Amino acid sequence: GDSVTQMEGPVTLSEEAFLTINCTYTATGYPSLFWYVQYPGEGLQLLLKATKADDKGSNKGFEATYRKETTSFHLEKGSVQVSDSAVYFCALSGAGKTSYDKVIFGPGTSLSVIP
Amino acid sequence: GAVVSQHPSRVICKSGTSVKIECRSLDFQATTMFWYRQFPKQSLMLMATSNEGSKATYEQGVEKDKFLINHASLTLSTLTVTSAHPEDSSFYICSAQRSGTGPYGDTQYFGPGTRLTVL
Repeated sequence: GDSVTQMEGPVTLSEEAFLTINCTYTATGYPSLFWYVQYPGEGLQLLLKATKADDKGSNKGFEATYRKETTSFHLEKGSVQVSDSAVYFCALSGAGKTSYDKVIFGPGTSLSVIP
Repeated sequence: GAVVSQHPSRVICKSGTSVKIECRSLDFQATTMFWYRQFPKQSLMLMATSNEGSKATYEQGVEKDKFLINHASLTLSTLTVTSAHPEDSSFYICSAQRSGTGPYGDTQYFGPGTRLTVL
């Protein structure tokens, strides 16, 4: 079945360091890909999305490019801040292209940014 | 836009009582809403898919008689945990999928979550 794999955390970085969180997926169709962020004690917020191959999603300095050939959607940010400390979830949906689709989440990667 | 609210944000109840959690899409219509459960330091587990005007579709292993879902309108879905027990204590999160096609047609927007503690 469809699935999402993320790099194991926790990830600890110093402020202004470069961030990469790897994400790969398995899907039989052509899914949309998402990154969601969850701050402590809160729900999920959509960070960015991409709907087709080679699309780049970007928001708040974060970027991810939909790579169909490698089935990947790695999240990157050039300079992280303490306020970026959160859990990041890679997700896919729409692989089956039905009228509604489940979102399949990766296990999440916890990021801690230290001053 | 695309704001989803949940109420209450926290609830503590005694074992054996029932608890209702509301999920509302505030500025868009949602034909479909989803209910998730999240254990500490874990990912979200989909419990059920809720469609306006029809019965919810439950994931395997989720007791439909224990977790009652009602999707009465295009902006409101409720989850009722019946006869709650301590093992039902968890973080419950809903999401709403915007109706229609276009760039947001397949995007789910999440509520802030409800922390349920059963004593």
